[in-house]
Amino acid sequence: QVQLQESGPRLVKPSETLSLSCTVSGGSISSHYWTWIRQPPEKGLEWIGNIYYDGSTNYNPDLKSRVTISVDTSKNQFSLNLRSVTAADTAVYYCAREVRLRGVIDLYYFDYWGQGTLVTVSS
Amino acid sequence: SSELTQDPAVSVALGQTVRITCQGDSLRSYYATWYQQKPGQAPVLVIYGKNNRPSGIPDRFSGSSSGNTASLTITGAQAEDEADYYCHSRDSSANHVLFGGGTKLTVL
Repeated sequence: QVQLQESGPRLVKPSETLSLSCTVSGGSISSHYWTWIRQPPEKGLEWIGNIYYDGSTNYNPDLKSRVTISVDTSKNQFSLNLRSVTAADTAVYYCAREVRLRGVIDLYYFDYWGQGTLVTVSS
Repeated sequence: SSELTQDPAVSVALGQTVRITCQGDSLRSYYATWYQQKPGQAPVLVIYGKNNRPSGIPDRFSGSSSGNTASLTITGAQAEDEADYYCHSRDSSANHVLFGGGTKLTVL
């Protein structure tokens, strides 16, 4: 059973960098795509970006200028850095595994999620 | 278009059938995936692909699609189905992920 666990500071000051890690257990990170998703309080889900084990990334265009996602295959871990944060970045941050299946119509879905961690941006 | 549109709220009487819809141009090219989220919990995958349920998801959940609209149907809704439901797909480039705004389902 694959499990994901987010870790990192729960409180970040405005203008600083939010840094989170996601540790994958029960499976290798060297397959599938690995994703960060966030959810502001009382709002919907927002995709932040993803990474493949080879280091290739895709980012939400709205956040691209502030986001870096990296992977450490030796630790079975991937990480999120979000720079220059404001109160609008306060959210529950989830890491998730994305499955991609090639076919007549390609399939994409998130089958395993971390429990989520609330990060608050405040001075 | 790079948006997925869902009704903010839907209600259903206990034991009745409810359909939750998701609209977007990308759904002409990609299947919608559906997630259930209960308060304080991470989303859970309920439907992916044409109409596939992960292990452990009751068969009262089903998915369908027509044109630019995808639907999640719950046949015989139960009290435990009360939750937020999100659809997910890709944009036309397939490089970016789209989420619908979510539908809050109330079981009366």
